[in-house]
Amino acid sequence: AAGVIQSPRHLIKEKRETATLKCYPIPRHDTVYWYQQGPGQDPQFLISFYEKMQSDKGSIPDRFSAQQFSDYHSELNMSSLELGDSALYFCATGEGSSIEAFFGQGTRLTVV
Amino acid sequence: KQEVTQIPAALSVPEGENLVLNCSFTDSAIYNLQWFRQDPGKGLTSLLLIQSSQREQTSGRLNASLDKSSGRSTLYIAASQPGDSATYLCAVRPDGSGYALNFGKGTSLLVTP
Repeated sequence: AAGVIQSPRHLIKEKRETATLKCYPIPRHDTVYWYQQGPGQDPQFLISFYEKMQSDKGSIPDRFSAQQFSDYHSELNMSSLELGDSALYFCATGEGSSIEAFFGQGTRLTVV
Repeated sequence: KQEVTQIPAALSVPEGENLVLNCSFTDSAIYNLQWFRQDPGKGLTSLLLIQSSQREQTSGRLNASLDKSSGRSTLYIAASQPGDSATYLCAVRPDGSGYALNFGKGTSLLVTP
């Protein structure tokens, strides 16, 4: 069965650089959630989209932005990267606005 | 803000034992609760989802219960195996507020042969 696809799986960036993370949902899924999981931490909600509109906002820094495109894939753009941005970034997708969350394998971002 | 707590933080058991992982949450206004498994450095695998109107869900050797009024859920693992070694995360979805999941910090389980 198709799963949530995240790319890239690993990314190494230098401080102050920019990174773009991508999330491709399971077919027919129209909701996307982004989470950040720091080392030894639980996942923290960043932002979500439903039908290409932002539906909720969590602890997302102003340096980050995201959007959901017409094909329902989503991109998380991260600028002026800091060492503390090093983490696993997950997206989860679902059908509708109140659903079971299916997670991707994550993108491991390392900022050096 | 919803606070999700998982006890114990770590657990080591010999193979074959039955075990219980606990999850508690401070706000009983939840839409559902989900248990995940996470292997080191890997993604989250959904194990069981319990809707707020349900009391329990079962999948194979796993059974999850929910007592919404007392803000508690348990994950029961029967006849544990070394392959069950992982971190188990409990997450609640609030009712009526964006539906983003609030996670506990997880229980790190080690099942020894």
